[in-house]
Amino acid sequence: LAKTTQPISMDSYEGQEVNITCSHNNIATNDYITWYQQFPSQGPRFIIQGYKTKVTNEVASLFIPADRKSSTLSLPRVSLSDTAVYYCLVGQNQAGTALIFGKGTTLSVSS
Amino acid sequence: GAVVSQHPSWVICKSGTSVKIECRSLDFQATTMFWYRQFPKQSLMLMATSNEGSKATYEQGVEKDKFLINHASLTLSTLTVTSAHPEDSSFYICSASGAWGGHGHEKLFFGSGTQLSVL
Repeated sequence: LAKTTQPISMDSYEGQEVNITCSHNNIATNDYITWYQQFPSQGPRFIIQGYKTKVTNEVASLFIPADRKSSTLSLPRVSLSDTAVYYCLVGQNQAGTALIFGKGTTLSVSS
Repeated sequence: GAVVSQHPSWVICKSGTSVKIECRSLDFQATTMFWYRQFPKQSLMLMATSNEGSKATYEQGVEKDKFLINHASLTLSTLTVTSAHPEDSSFYICSASGAWGGHGHEKLFFGSGTQLSVL
């Protein structure tokens, strides 16, 4: 399973755009990139998933360059409620395949 | 989105007793479920992979006789912490693998977690 590297922590203010970059240099051809959000004492919540180029949904965008060795989660106009730990995971997401969590990025949003 | 229900959300027990945690996939069939544990300020650590109708596969260092996993149906997996001790106090999270929106690849959906405190 591809190992991921993310910043340990990031700080932001309300209303700003936050970009969290994840490195996954040995990503395999069949691997997808998935981002999860976790609040204290809760299970992780799926944010977005992509394979290449750009993916956008109602909460975030995911940018993946052509070599797929990194990815950037973009959160537009963050609010205090976006304070959480964000995990970047890489894996095949096939039935029976677990996802291995790295250390994640703790995002702190201030007013 | 898919829903995974986990109960109880928290439990306090005496040392030496056993505790059962349930994980249910409410609106999809989960062939495979996973159990994680998480200590404060740390990431999730995979404990075991549970396939319906077969024995669970445990990660290295996880005692299978202490953490009993049963996956009797496509919608229910249970984790029983046997003879619990204070060092077993942790946040336990289950997840289920299921198809998402017909895109062909699967995602993991997580339960809300169970905080176990062993006195």
